[in-house]
Amino acid sequence: EVQLVQSEVEVKKPGESLKISCQASGYTFSTFWIGWVRQMPGKGPEWMGVIYPGDSQTRYSPSFQGQVTISADKSTNTAYLQWSSLKASDSAIYYCARRYTGSSWDYFDFWGQGTLVTVSS
Amino acid sequence: VVTQSPGTLSLSPGERATLSCRASQSVGDNFLNWYQQKRGQAPRLLIYGAYKRATGVPDRFSGSGSGSAFTLTIDRLEPEDFAVYYCQQFSRSSLFSFGPGTKLEVK
Repeated sequence: EVQLVQSEVEVKKPGESLKISCQASGYTFSTFWIGWVRQMPGKGPEWMGVIYPGDSQTRYSPSFQGQVTISADKSTNTAYLQWSSLKASDSAIYYCARRYTGSSWDYFDFWGQGTLVTVSS
Repeated sequence: VVTQSPGTLSLSPGERATLSCRASQSVGDNFLNWYQQKRGQAPRLLIYGAYKRATGVPDRFSGSGSGSAFTLTIDRLEPEDFAVYYCQQFSRSSLFSFGPGTKLEVK
């Protein structure tokens, strides 16, 4: 059974750093892209970026390029999303999701439970 | 840019729901997906490739359309179908774009 288990609630102050995690199981981690998606309160999902754990290739949405860093550790089947200096506007739920790619389709088929990040002074 | 209409749809159980999704440019090879999100839960894949149902999705859910206009139809609404629905476009240049969602609520 494919599962993506994310780190739990994070409460941080503006300017602090943060790294949240997404541990995968039930499939070969290195052969599927993992994506990160932000969802702000009452809003739709926003794609942030994806990583291919096999070779750590990454692609970022222009909206998030330079704002966050996505990484992966094949030895622990874990993907990460990190910030070096948080802002209050980073408060949101962050989901990781497995990306399934094919010749005529490309979608996120399995999702983590989400990590709630609250940034407040 | 992906748009969805209506923003909110009020229907009763047993009725048919028709949700629309429009992309600003033609979606090549029907790279258009639909997700369902219930309150407090992660999105769930319903339809991929414009019309293919994901594993475990009841056949009352169906997707159609091509080019830049797509539709999600839910026949015979069940109580558990009332949720928010998002369409998502994929393109090789900009990868993923989600629509703003349609909230399907009980009338």
